[in-house]
Amino acid sequence: NAGVMQNPRHLVRRRGQEARLRCSPMKGHSHVYWYRQLPEEGLKFMVYLQKENIIDESGMPKERFSAEFPKEGPSILRIQQVVRGDSAAYFCASSRTGGNSPLHFGNGTRLTVT
Amino acid sequence: GNSVTQMEGPVTLSEEAFLTINCTYTATGYPSLFWYVQYPGEGLQLLLKATKADDKGSNKGFEATYRKETTSFHLEKGSVQVSDSAVYFCALSDQGGGADGLTFGKGTHLIIQP
Repeated sequence: NAGVMQNPRHLVRRRGQEARLRCSPMKGHSHVYWYRQLPEEGLKFMVYLQKENIIDESGMPKERFSAEFPKEGPSILRIQQVVRGDSAAYFCASSRTGGNSPLHFGNGTRLTVT
Repeated sequence: GNSVTQMEGPVTLSEEAFLTINCTYTATGYPSLFWYVQYPGEGLQLLLKATKADDKGSNKGFEATYRKETTSFHLEKGSVQVSDSAVYFCALSDQGGGADGLTFGKGTHLIIQP
């Protein structure tokens, strides 16, 4: 049973480009969460999605960031017009039912903006 | 708001040494408390948890006791191994542990030398 799969593992973008980060949840999981880990910081919640719905995006920056979890395919975290401050590790986690059900994390995507 | 403070790393110990990683928290109500571990190149894994005051969580030789009077959840292990080298995150949740309610500390990098 494959775990949470994130790709790419490493992503390098120049300032102004777009970054797309993908997350395939564990089989049977319909709840996806994105976290960001800035250098020397803990993980910060960004967004919580279920299939085709954004449940909580209170941690998402107001501009340039968006997330989706379509009916088919992986969840996508999209960052438009990246800036150096977007350089971080982005982690995806999934759970079967949300709420108290256990979280399973992916290995993260490390975004570097040059 | 909720917050988690843990001791800064890196913490470097010799094999078989006693380990303590301090964690204190600020929260309203009665949160659940967690320790997650991140091995090099991997995502976070739940190590142990405690859901109410005086509960002790334990796993793989690690222990932590939920101390409401001192708002602490210190991680301990009696004899560490090289394989314990990782980053350890203390976290709390006021929603039973669902990802949308998790607040993480900044992480403590543990290095065990043979």
